Amino acid sequence: EAEVAQSPRYKITEKSQAVAFWCDPISGHATLYWYRQILGQGPELLVQFQDESVVDDSQLPKDRFSAERLKGVDSTLKIQPAELGDSAMYLCASLVPGQETQYFGPGTRLLVL
Amino acid sequence: SQQGEEDPQALSIQEGENATMNCSYKTSINNLQWYRQNSGRGLVHLILIRSNEREKHSGRLRVTLDTSKKSSSLLITASRAADTASYFCASRQTSGSRLTFGEGTQLTVNP
Repeated sequence: EAEVAQSPRYKITEKSQAVAFWCDPISGHATLYWYRQILGQGPELLVQFQDESVVDDSQLPKDRFSAERLKGVDSTLKIQPAELGDSAMYLCASLVPGQETQYFGPGTRLLVL
Repeated sequence: SQQGEEDPQALSIQEGENATMNCSYKTSINNLQWYRQNSGRGLVHLILIRSNEREKHSGRLRVTLDTSKKSSSLLITASRAADTASYFCASRQTSGSRLTFGEGTQLTVNP
Protein backbone atom coordinates (compact mmCIF):
# COMPACT_ATOMS: atom_id res chain seq x y z
CA GLU A 1 0.00 0.00 0.00
CA ALA A 2 1.35 3.43 -0.97
CA GLU A 3 2.44 5.68 1.88
CA VAL A 4 3.51 9.25 2.46
CA ALA A 5 7.24 9.34 3.14
CA GLN A 6 8.93 11.84 5.42
CA SER A 7 12.52 12.35 6.46
CA PRO A 8 14.24 12.65 8.76
CA ARG A 9 12.12 10.97 11.41
CA TYR A 10 13.92 12.79 14.20
CA LYS A 11 15.93 15.98 14.24
CA ILE A 12 17.76 17.68 17.09
CA THR A 13 19.13 21.12 16.46
CA GLU A 14 20.26 24.18 18.35
CA LYS A 15 18.33 27.39 18.27
CA SER A 16 19.28 29.79 15.49
CA GLN A 17 20.25 26.87 13.21
CA ALA A 18 18.46 26.02 9.99
CA VAL A 19 16.48 22.80 9.59
CA ALA A 20 14.71 21.23 6.64
CA PHE A 21 12.14 18.48 6.38
CA TRP A 22 11.23 16.48 3.30
CA CYS A 23 7.96 14.89 2.24
CA ASP A 24 7.11 12.63 -0.67
CA PRO A 25 3.33 12.23 -1.03
CA ILE A 26 1.49 9.28 -2.46
CA SER A 27 1.87 9.17 -6.23
CA GLY A 28 -0.93 11.04 -7.94
CA HIS A 29 -1.90 13.07 -4.88
CA ALA A 30 -1.88 16.63 -6.14
CA THR A 31 -2.75 18.21 -2.79
CA LEU A 32 -0.09 18.31 -0.07
CA TYR A 33 -0.29 19.67 3.46
CA TRP A 34 2.28 20.49 6.11
CA TYR A 35 1.04 20.48 9.71
CA ARG A 36 2.70 21.27 13.02
CA GLN A 37 1.63 19.29 16.07
CA ILE A 38 2.71 20.44 19.49
CA LEU A 39 2.83 17.66 22.08
CA GLY A 40 -0.61 17.04 23.54
CA GLN A 41 -2.44 19.05 20.87
CA GLY A 42 -3.99 18.41 17.49
CA PRO A 43 -2.24 19.20 14.20
CA GLU A 44 -2.40 22.78 12.91
CA LEU A 45 -2.11 23.53 9.22
CA LEU A 46 0.99 25.43 8.16
CA VAL A 47 0.70 25.32 4.37
CA GLN A 48 -1.33 23.65 1.63
CA PHE A 49 -0.13 23.03 -1.93
CA GLN A 50 -2.13 22.21 -5.02
CA ASP A 51 0.46 20.79 -7.39
CA GLU A 52 3.33 23.32 -7.16
CA SER A 53 1.17 26.26 -6.08
CA VAL A 54 0.56 27.44 -2.52
CA VAL A 55 -3.18 27.44 -1.82
CA ASP A 56 -3.13 28.39 1.86
CA ASP A 57 -0.17 29.62 3.89
CA SER A 58 -2.10 31.96 6.16
CA GLN A 59 -0.79 30.24 9.30
CA LEU A 60 2.81 29.84 8.16
CA PRO A 61 5.21 32.08 10.16
CA LYS A 62 6.78 33.49 7.04
CA ASP A 63 9.56 35.33 8.83
CA ARG A 64 11.26 32.01 9.57
CA PHE A 65 9.35 29.25 7.76
CA SER A 66 9.35 28.52 4.04
CA ALA A 67 7.91 25.70 1.98
CA GLU A 68 8.28 24.69 -1.61
CA ARG A 69 7.06 22.03 -3.99
CA LEU A 70 8.94 22.94 -7.11
CA LYS A 71 7.86 20.13 -9.42
CA GLY A 72 4.51 19.48 -7.79
CA VAL A 73 5.64 16.18 -6.31
CA ASP A 74 7.83 16.15 -3.21
CA SER A 75 8.05 19.09 -0.85
CA THR A 76 10.48 20.70 1.58
CA LEU A 77 9.65 22.69 4.71
CA LYS A 78 12.44 24.85 6.10
CA ILE A 79 12.87 26.74 9.35
CA GLN A 80 15.56 29.38 9.62
CA PRO A 81 16.44 30.25 12.31
CA ALA A 82 14.92 27.62 14.57
CA GLU A 83 13.55 28.75 17.93
CA LEU A 84 12.88 26.76 21.10
CA GLY A 85 9.13 27.03 20.50
CA ASP A 86 9.47 25.23 17.17
CA SER A 87 9.95 21.91 18.97
CA ALA A 88 7.06 19.81 17.70
CA MET A 89 6.06 17.04 15.31
CA TYR A 90 5.89 18.15 11.68
CA LEU A 91 3.42 16.11 9.68
CA CYS A 92 2.93 15.90 5.95
CA ALA A 93 -0.33 14.73 4.41
CA SER A 94 -1.63 14.31 0.89
CA LEU A 95 -4.88 13.63 -0.87
CA VAL A 96 -6.44 13.29 -4.27
CA PRO A 97 -8.39 16.46 -5.18
CA GLY A 98 -12.08 15.79 -4.82
CA GLN A 99 -11.50 13.14 -2.19
CA GLU A 100 -11.82 13.75 1.54
CA THR A 101 -9.36 11.43 3.23
CA GLN A 102 -5.95 12.86 4.02
CA TYR A 103 -3.09 10.37 4.18
CA PHE A 104 -0.45 11.25 6.73
CA GLY A 105 3.23 10.45 6.82
CA PRO A 106 4.96 9.28 10.02
CA GLY A 107 6.13 12.80 10.84
CA THR A 108 9.41 14.44 11.76
CA ARG A 109 9.91 15.09 15.44
CA LEU A 110 11.97 18.24 15.94
CA LEU A 111 13.71 19.17 19.17
CA VAL A 112 15.30 22.60 19.38
CA LEU A 113 17.83 23.02 22.18
CA SER B 1 -7.60 28.82 19.53
CA GLN B 2 -9.00 27.86 16.17
CA GLN B 3 -9.14 24.25 17.21
CA GLY B 4 -12.28 22.57 18.34
CA GLU B 5 -12.55 20.99 21.72
CA GLU B 6 -12.62 17.35 22.63
CA ASP B 7 -13.55 15.66 25.83
CA PRO B 8 -12.48 13.88 27.76
CA GLN B 9 -8.81 14.76 27.32
CA ALA B 10 -7.96 11.29 28.58
CA LEU B 11 -9.99 8.10 28.98
CA SER B 12 -8.91 4.82 30.56
CA ILE B 13 -11.12 1.74 30.25
CA GLN B 14 -10.92 -2.05 30.42
CA GLU B 15 -10.88 -4.27 27.38
CA GLY B 16 -14.38 -5.09 26.24
CA GLU B 17 -15.87 -1.82 27.46
CA ASN B 18 -17.17 0.89 25.17
CA ALA B 19 -15.35 4.21 24.75
CA THR B 20 -17.10 7.46 23.91
CA MET B 21 -15.31 10.63 22.85
CA ASN B 22 -16.94 13.97 22.16
CA CYS B 23 -15.96 16.82 19.90
CA SER B 24 -17.23 20.36 19.43
CA TYR B 25 -16.42 22.67 16.55
CA LYS B 26 -16.93 26.34 15.85
CA THR B 27 -18.02 26.99 12.27
CA SER B 28 -20.42 25.57 9.70
CA ILE B 29 -18.98 22.42 8.25
CA ASN B 30 -19.07 20.33 5.11
CA ASN B 31 -18.03 17.19 6.96
CA LEU B 32 -16.41 15.99 10.15
CA GLN B 33 -13.73 13.31 10.25
CA TRP B 34 -12.15 11.24 12.97
CA TYR B 35 -8.50 10.25 12.93
CA ARG B 36 -6.42 7.99 15.12
CA GLN B 37 -2.78 8.53 16.08
CA ASN B 38 -0.58 5.95 17.71
CA SER B 39 2.15 7.40 19.90
CA GLY B 40 4.82 9.16 17.84
CA ARG B 41 3.23 8.28 14.53
CA GLY B 42 1.15 9.94 11.83
CA LEU B 43 -2.63 10.10 11.78
CA VAL B 44 -4.86 7.47 10.22
CA HIS B 45 -8.31 8.28 8.90
CA LEU B 46 -11.10 6.35 10.60
CA ILE B 47 -14.46 7.65 9.45
CA LEU B 48 -16.14 10.65 7.83
CA ILE B 49 -19.64 11.97 8.42
CA ARG B 50 -21.19 14.61 6.18
CA SER B 51 -23.15 17.59 7.45
CA ASN B 52 -26.43 16.11 6.21
CA GLU B 53 -25.86 12.83 8.05
CA ARG B 54 -26.69 12.20 11.70
CA GLU B 55 -25.11 8.82 12.32
CA LYS B 56 -22.62 6.55 10.61
CA HIS B 57 -21.19 3.13 11.40
CA SER B 58 -17.97 1.41 10.39
CA GLY B 59 -17.16 -1.88 12.08
CA ARG B 60 -16.87 -1.17 15.81
CA LEU B 61 -17.06 2.59 15.25
CA ARG B 62 -20.19 4.68 15.50
CA VAL B 63 -20.13 8.41 14.83
CA THR B 64 -22.93 10.88 15.45
CA LEU B 65 -23.21 14.48 14.33
CA ASP B 66 -25.44 17.22 15.72
CA THR B 67 -24.99 20.31 13.56
CA SER B 68 -27.37 22.35 15.71
CA LYS B 69 -25.04 21.86 18.67
CA LYS B 70 -21.88 21.82 16.53
CA SER B 71 -20.85 18.56 18.14
CA SER B 72 -19.94 15.00 17.27
CA SER B 73 -19.23 11.83 19.17
CA LEU B 74 -17.18 8.74 18.41
CA LEU B 75 -18.14 5.46 20.04
CA ILE B 76 -15.79 2.49 19.96
CA THR B 77 -17.56 -0.68 21.02
CA ALA B 78 -15.97 -3.77 22.57
CA SER B 79 -12.62 -2.02 22.92
CA ARG B 80 -9.31 -3.84 22.57
CA ALA B 81 -5.87 -3.07 23.93
CA ALA B 82 -4.83 -2.30 20.34
CA ASP B 83 -7.32 0.61 20.34
CA THR B 84 -4.99 2.48 22.69
CA ALA B 85 -4.16 5.72 20.83
CA SER B 86 -5.08 9.38 20.55
CA TYR B 87 -8.26 10.17 18.68
CA PHE B 88 -8.82 13.49 16.90
CA CYS B 89 -11.86 14.99 15.30
CA ALA B 90 -11.30 17.25 12.29
CA SER B 91 -13.90 19.54 10.83
CA ARG B 92 -13.91 20.66 7.23
CA GLN B 93 -15.49 24.06 6.75
CA THR B 94 -18.03 24.70 4.03
CA SER B 95 -15.49 26.83 2.16
CA GLY B 96 -12.08 25.43 1.25
CA SER B 97 -10.59 22.07 2.09
CA ARG B 98 -8.78 22.96 5.32
CA LEU B 99 -9.28 20.57 8.21
CA THR B 100 -9.40 22.02 11.72
CA PHE B 101 -8.39 19.43 14.29
CA GLY B 102 -9.52 19.16 17.87
CA GLU B 103 -7.08 18.74 20.71
CA GLY B 104 -7.63 14.99 20.92
CA THR B 105 -8.62 12.33 23.42
CA GLN B 106 -5.97 9.95 24.70
CA LEU B 107 -7.61 6.54 25.03
CA THR B 108 -5.99 3.79 27.07
CA VAL B 109 -7.52 0.32 26.93
CA ASN B 110 -6.21 -1.90 29.70
CA PRO B 111 -5.98 -5.65 29.00
